[in-house]
Amino acid sequence: AQTVTQSQPEMSVQEAETVTLSCTYDTSENNYYLFWYKQPPSRQMILVIRQEAYKQQNATENRFSVNFQKAAKSFSLKISDSQLGDTAMYFCAFMKHLGSNYKLTFGKGTLLTVNP
Amino acid sequence: NAGVTQTPKFRILKIGQSMTLQCTQDMNHNYMYWYRQDPGMGLKLIYYSVGAGITDKGEVPNGYNVSRSTTEDFPLRLELAAPSQTSVYFCASTTTRTGASTDTQYFGPGTRLTVL
Repeated sequence: AQTVTQSQPEMSVQEAETVTLSCTYDTSENNYYLFWYKQPPSRQMILVIRQEAYKQQNATENRFSVNFQKAAKSFSLKISDSQLGDTAMYFCAFMKHLGSNYKLTFGKGTLLTVNP
Repeated sequence: NAGVTQTPKFRILKIGQSMTLQCTQDMNHNYMYWYRQDPGMGLKLIYYSVGAGITDKGEVPNGYNVSRSTTEDFPLRLELAAPSQTSVYFCASTTTRTGASTDTQYFGPGTRLTVL
């Protein structure tokens, strides 16, 4: 079974600065997907960024980028130029490529607070 | 498209009562999921469905039942509510249609359930 670990329960950052959220996972699979979801106070789950394990290039979405280290089973999220609207719970999630029926396994989350 | 909708948004139940959480998607997705989110925890999979008439257990199915009579609807039934079922419940869907992104799950806004 896959496990996802987020070792930072809470983090804070000043507006306009950069912050990195950590995620490690454990799997014996070679092909899989990794995700970062954002959950603001509204509780809506919003996909931030996704990474296919077979791609060596790190995914980027505007101010959000990942550092994917497959051998180390590490998948960190970097938020640049942090904005007040980035304040949210961030979840790292794992999905097997085949045979999983696209089920997601989530970490416990990191609460990020962006301070003015 | 409304996406994934859930009703009700909030509900308080007494121990032993029963209720159905409704989930509907209008994206013609064949895969649907129910997750629960306990305080300070990530989402855990309760049940999922790969198509109308087909359901299967997830990680934490005890105390719940599901049905999938149509592509659009995937209700979650609590028969004898217990305090341990106090949680936020999320419904999600994805599709395996050719050309669609099967690894992206679309989430509903959640139902906050309290059992007293």
